[in-house]
Amino acid sequence: EAQVTQNPRYLITVTGKKLTVTCSQNMNHEYMSWYRQDPGLGLRQIYYSMNVEVTDKGDVPEGYKVSRKEKRNFPLILESPSPNQTSLYFCASSPQAGGAQETQYFGPGTRLLVL
Amino acid sequence: AQKITQTQPGMFVQEKEAVTLDCTYDTSDPSYGLFWYKQPSSGEMIFLIYQGSYDQQNATEGRYSLNFQKARKSANLVISASQLGDSAMYFCAMREGYNYGQNFVFGPGTRLSVLP
Repeated sequence: EAQVTQNPRYLITVTGKKLTVTCSQNMNHEYMSWYRQDPGLGLRQIYYSMNVEVTDKGDVPEGYKVSRKEKRNFPLILESPSPNQTSLYFCASSPQAGGAQETQYFGPGTRLLVL
Repeated sequence: AQKITQTQPGMFVQEKEAVTLDCTYDTSDPSYGLFWYKQPSSGEMIFLIYQGSYDQQNATEGRYSLNFQKARKSANLVISASQLGDSAMYFCAMREGYNYGQNFVFGPGTRLSVLP
């Protein structure tokens, strides 16, 4: 089944404790993104990647890191989480840029609570 | 400035009736794409429909259609014959230009409740 998977789905952590949220897609998509969703703000892009080893900042990159060492994986790293990073996080992938094919396929989401 | 505006935080519709969810956008790029996504209470994001800025006809996908008025910069989602399963958050989104990732923005969403 074609899908984007994220782990963990739910996470409670404490301020300053490094964490990684994994994202993997099995559709051979070149393009991947991370978003956070907060009430009343919709989804905001954190980072995106256009290919292996090619990443760039989105609208809200502060406090996050990403890597793209393999085409299928795009982990999100919070080196020192803070309470304002409590949010719902989505990973998404897309087969190409431009046109209808840039429809993004989303993972199931990761709910993060930072105490 | 907000690039995507959804002025209806919440909407109610009777089952089997049609409903229109509003979306206006702001861009100076002649090339852009408009998307609608559905987010049920379970949380996943489901792609519904796409409209390109150069498309001459309004997009349709089953019970979903997009009322694209380019001069007014509006891209309203029309759901015909509403079903109880349509109760969800609905997000309008826009991608400007051809480069992936850059300038892909979402609106704040509209919560639709379908009444039996």
